[in-house]
Amino acid sequence: DIQMIQSPSSLSASVGDRVTITCRASQDISNYLAWYQQKPGKVPKVLIYAASTLRSGVPSRFSGSRSGTEFTLTISSLQPEDVATYYCQRYISAPQMFGQGTKVEIK
Amino acid sequence: QVQLVQSGAEVKKPGASVKVSCKASGYTFRDYYIHWVRQAPGQGLEWMGRINPNSGGTVYAQKLQGRVTMTGDTSISTAYMELISLTSDDTALYFCARGGGHGVPATFDDWGQGTLVTVSS
Repeated sequence: DIQMIQSPSSLSASVGDRVTITCRASQDISNYLAWYQQKPGKVPKVLIYAASTLRSGVPSRFSGSRSGTEFTLTISSLQPEDVATYYCQRYISAPQMFGQGTKVEIK
Repeated sequence: QVQLVQSGAEVKKPGASVKVSCKASGYTFRDYYIHWVRQAPGQGLEWMGRINPNSGGTVYAQKLQGRVTMTGDTSISTAYMELISLTSDDTALYFCARGGGHGVPATFDDWGQGTLVTVSS
């Protein structure tokens, strides 16, 4: 059964903190992993694709990495405008499923 | 620029079916997969399936097999998603999104505005 396990489901951090979100794929997806940001009432927006490539226009405080089937999204210095829900997605092939999401709030 | 414009909100009774449309513009419709994603109130993103508008080939999420049908009309650059035997669990915002060109793996960079489907007796 194909799964994308994302953790934590929510987190609260202070402005300037380093924040890390993890996504584990149940099978090898190579680098075909994307991170999306969704703000309330908006459609999701791609932040990172190919596990670690920053989409044009995305602030450099966002970064992605891969170790085997475990992927990480890091926000190096959390800003108020980063309050959102973040999703990982496998896109190597169908099903192009998403992780369960991580809601990021400011403490 | 790429645009995906979806049909309006729907209210349906349990047991009914719904068909949502997604009209594409700004690119060659038949060249890119269309995916459908839904989001229940306060919940995460659920990938429902995708269609290759060129061939009509589809892949559906296992959970929705037998209840969902995705079609496309290349003459009017429009994709459709029909869901039958609705229950309250199907109440959600339904999105179409453009996938990869010519089957190349790709992220969803372009989304429709969403169609709210409410299932209520």
